[in-house]
Amino acid sequence: EIVMTQSPATLSVSPGERATLSCRASQSVGSNLAWYQQKPGQAPRLLMYGASTKATGIPARFSGSESGTEFTLTVSSLQSEDFAVYYCQQYNSWPLTFGGGTKVEIK
Amino acid sequence: EVQLLESGGGLEQPGGSLRLSCAASGFTFSSSSMTWVRQAPGKGLEWVSGISGSGGTTYYIDSVKGRFTISRDNSKNTLYLQMNSLRAEDTAVYYCAKGSPTFQHWGQGTLVTVSS
Repeated sequence: EIVMTQSPATLSVSPGERATLSCRASQSVGSNLAWYQQKPGQAPRLLMYGASTKATGIPARFSGSESGTEFTLTVSSLQSEDFAVYYCQQYNSWPLTFGGGTKVEIK
Repeated sequence: EVQLLESGGGLEQPGGSLRLSCAASGFTFSSSSMTWVRQAPGKGLEWVSGISGSGGTTYYIDSVKGRFTISRDNSKNTLYLQMNSLRAEDTAVYYCAKGSPTFQHWGQGTLVTVSS
């Protein structure tokens, strides 16, 4: 099973600032990496797949990148609606696995 | 508009059974792989099971193999998860999601509580 490790667990950021979230895979997943956003009391929402391809309707301030087994989700200028928990997910092999999440909170 | 509506959750004793349903609309159900993902209270997401559009291929996480069965009725646009031999660690909100291996649309979830 591929273990996904996200860091930090909590990120405190002021509105308008940049947020950088990290996700590391225990072994190669290629570019088979997705990001999801989950707000309290809501279902997750797909943000990104293929490590860097935005899902439908996702704002341009979100971007994804990869370097080997390290993946990064960047929000260039945090808006109030971006404060949430973010999860990465690998889909290179079964079982599909998620990271433990990064909570982005208001500083 | 894609809509996914889960039902069937509730309180069940350890060792008991529940069947979750997910009614789908707004897309061609029979062409879409479907997935169940769960989230224990205050915890992260865990993929549980997936099924191909035809129902001919299924996948499970090891912890539910032999206890849970995913199925679908394409004539009713409905996805199911039969959960047997329930354990306390199965307590979670269960989400049905459209797609695999990424999940483009999600239902609002149904809570399963396993407790005596």
